[in-house]
Amino acid sequence: QKEVEQNSGPLSVPEGAIASLNCTYSDRGSQSFFWYRQYSGKSPELIMSIYSNGDKEDGRFTAQLNKASQYVSLLIRDSQPSDSATYLCAPLGYSTLTFGKGTMLLVSP
Amino acid sequence: DAGITQSPRHKVTETGTPVTLRCHQTENHRYMYWYRQDPGHGLRLIHYSYGVKDTDKGEVSDGYSVSRSKTEDFLLTLESATSSQTSVYFCAISEPTQGTYNEQFFGPGTRLTVL
Repeated sequence: QKEVEQNSGPLSVPEGAIASLNCTYSDRGSQSFFWYRQYSGKSPELIMSIYSNGDKEDGRFTAQLNKASQYVSLLIRDSQPSDSATYLCAPLGYSTLTFGKGTMLLVSP
Repeated sequence: DAGITQSPRHKVTETGTPVTLRCHQTENHRYMYWYRQDPGHGLRLIHYSYGVKDTDKGEVSDGYSVSRSKTEDFLLTLESATSSQTSVYFCAISEPTQGTYNEQFFGPGTRLTVL
């Protein structure tokens, strides 16, 4: 059984702060990792993909991957109230994704 | 939503009735997926397809069947709906390439209530 663990939150941060979201996974065969954002009542939206150890930056988002520790994280800089959502971590196995239950982020003005 | 539509968007049905949900894509992606999302469980894969007439089971396939006769359409059928199948159902698509590593894009979802 593949496990993906995320703190359920809510993670509360003030506007302008850095939000740090963490994810651990059990499948050592996972090679690609994805972060999705899901607003309440909406479908998941892909925001970051990372395939290699290290950091990958895209605008205010930075994904970090450490395959040896089976750990992937997402940093959101200059957090905005519009970032308030649930963030889902999803490692890719052979051909399918396994999703974590998500971390709820609340950004207060 | 990356050229993905789902129908119906909302459905209420009674226990024991058959239900078919449709996912339609205009992206010509090879892979299509059906997930359900429930509080406390997150997104779970029901079935997926890697080509016309090629399907495989996911984590929670019991009570569900799928069909894909055309690239653009992927149908999910509940042969005899039960209250435990009340959920939000999402379709997703992907086209694995060396650059994208199977990034999946989701449709808007179908909210199904089984009374």
